[in-house]
Amino acid sequence: AQKVTQAQTEISVVEKEDVTLDCVYETRDTTYYLFWYKQPPSGELVFLIRRNSFDEQNEISGRYSWNFQKSTSSFNFTITASQVVDSAVYFCALSPPYGGATNKLIFGTGTLLAVQP
Amino acid sequence: DTEVTQTPKHLVMGMTNKKSLKCEQHMGHRAMYWYKQKAKKPPELMFVYSYEKLSINESVPSRFSPECPNSSLLNLHLHALQPEDSALYLCASSQELAGQFFGPGTRLTVL
Repeated sequence: AQKVTQAQTEISVVEKEDVTLDCVYETRDTTYYLFWYKQPPSGELVFLIRRNSFDEQNEISGRYSWNFQKSTSSFNFTITASQVVDSAVYFCALSPPYGGATNKLIFGTGTLLAVQP
Repeated sequence: DTEVTQTPKHLVMGMTNKKSLKCEQHMGHRAMYWYKQKAKKPPELMFVYSYEKLSINESVPSRFSPECPNSSLLNLHLHALQPEDSALYLCASSQELAGQFFGPGTRLTVL
């Protein structure tokens, strides 16, 4: 069975604090893809990152960084020096490798991040 | 052009109405998706079109009818909906080995 768990339902931090959003996944596939999406109050899901199962290098993009650890089936997301604009629901998702253009996302339940000024 | 557009942004309809949601992308993506999202929940997949053919239907009631007129357009026809169908409807597109890119959604209210 494939599953994504985001155990943190809500997190509240004060601006400039660092915050880590946890994501744990389950899959029997040896090849798979992991994603993070941001959903601000406006509703649009914004693609943040895609990581394939063979690439365990950590990635940094500005204030965002991702830590992929296959040994613990985790793909955690850290925001450094958080800002009010980071307030949103963040979804972690897993995709098995389908043929062709299709990939079917299995979403976690999301973590609501509230950054207070 | 790296976006997915959806119209309308908001829709209010009665249970006897027929309406359509529209989605468009010009990224050359060959897969397009409809999702339904209720408040405080993750998106739920409804339909997937791959190369303009319906490839996945997640046991969606027939009052929702998808249509893919061409590789850039995706419609969702609505008829005889129930109040519990009120939700945010999201369209997405993707290409091989890439993530899905989502539109801003249509907030649907069924009275």
